[in-house]
Parts: sequence; C-alpha cells; structure tokens
Amino acid sequence: AQKVTQAQTEISVVEKEDVTLDCVYETRDTTYYLFWYKQPPSGELVFLIRRNSFDEQNEISGRYSWNFQKSTSSFNFTITASQVVDSAVYFCALSEAQGAQKLVFGQGTRLTINP
Amino acid sequence: KAGVTQTPRYLIKTRGQQVTLSCSPISGHRSVSWYQQTPGQGLQFLFEYFSETQRNKGNFPGRFSGRQFSNSRSEMNVSTLELGDSALYLCASSLVPSGKNEQFFGPGTRLTVL
Repeated sequence: AQKVTQAQTEISVVEKEDVTLDCVYETRDTTYYLFWYKQPPSGELVFLIRRNSFDEQNEISGRYSWNFQKSTSSFNFTITASQVVDSAVYFCALSEAQGAQKLVFGQGTRLTINP
Repeated sequence: KAGVTQTPRYLIKTRGQQVTLSCSPISGHRSVSWYQQTPGQGLQFLFEYFSETQRNKGNFPGRFSGRQFSNSRSEMNVSTLELGDSALYLCASSLVPSGKNEQFFGPGTRLTVL
C-alpha cells in the first residue's frame, strides 16, 4: 500500500529564514509520481510541483526548491528567504503511474511565517 | 480559463438527511476526483470519474456515491448523514486520468452535520 508521511505537524519561523518541509513515502510501484500542494486559509489546494520516479534531478523555482532522493524515499521541499505569504498548510502526495487518478496525501505541515 | 468550481460553498445539515455537492471541472478536463478532508483523517480519496464512469473508489461506505455527466460535471451524494461526515469536500479535475497529471482543485464545499 502507498503511504506518505510528513512528520512535521507544525513549523513556525521568522520571516527571511529558510525552512525545509520533510516528506517520506512508501510504495511498491517502480513508477510513481510525487507532488507538493499548498493549502492557504481559503482552502483551495494549489499545485506546486510534480516529480516522476525516474527523475531525481533537484528542481528550483524562485525561492522554492525540491530535493528528491529515491534511496531514502524522500521528497523534501525548501523555501528560501521565507515570506509571510508562504504561511499555509503544505501537503506531499503520491500517485501511481498508470490509470488511477488517486492521490495519497501526507498529513500536511502547517507552516507559519512570523514577521 | 476558469478554475474548478464547487457549489455550494457551505452547507449545514442535520443527521439523517442527505446532501448533494456539485463540481464543474476546468473546461476540457474530463477526469474528476473527490476528496474528503477532516482534521482527524486528513485528505482522503473518495472516488474518481472519467467518461461518466466511476473508475476508482476509496474506502468509504456505500452512503457516499457520485456520478459524472456527459459535460464532465460531477456530483457527489451522501445519504443518511452522520456527524462524522462533517468535512471539507474537495473536487479536483485533470485532463485525463493518469497518475502523472496534476490535479487542479476547487475551493471545496464545507459540510457541517448537526
């Protein structure tokens, strides 16, 4: 069975600090996809990134970066120079490659950026 | 392009009643999935529809059902409501069902069962 674990329930940092959100996953599939979503107070989940299991290249998008390590089944998310607008709940999710449009989510990490 | 829309945004029902939630996917998207979000269980997959057919269902009782129309719009129904059904119900759409496709979520319907 697939499982996603986000061990950090809540993180609170001061603005401009760097912060890393951890995500560890379990799956028996050899091909799968990993996602990060952001949920602001409005409730709508906002897609941030998708990574497939064959692509371990790290990715950077502005202040956001993602580190995928298949050897440790981890897909961590780092925000550099955090801003108050980054405050939200962040979810890591996993889906199998074929057919099923089903996301398995972690429990989420509530990130609070204090001014 | 308009995003995923869900109606109503808020609902208050009493135990034993039934409720129908509606979801309109992004134009051109043909796959619709539903998720339930609660503080205790987090985000859980309910079901997925494509071409008016349910392709997958999560581990929920038969009181939860859904359907998809020819225009890809979807509805989900919960009968005989229980207090534990209070949750944020999120709908997501994607072009076609594939694990690699990102799903775009609507704002959700917040259901409160009294």
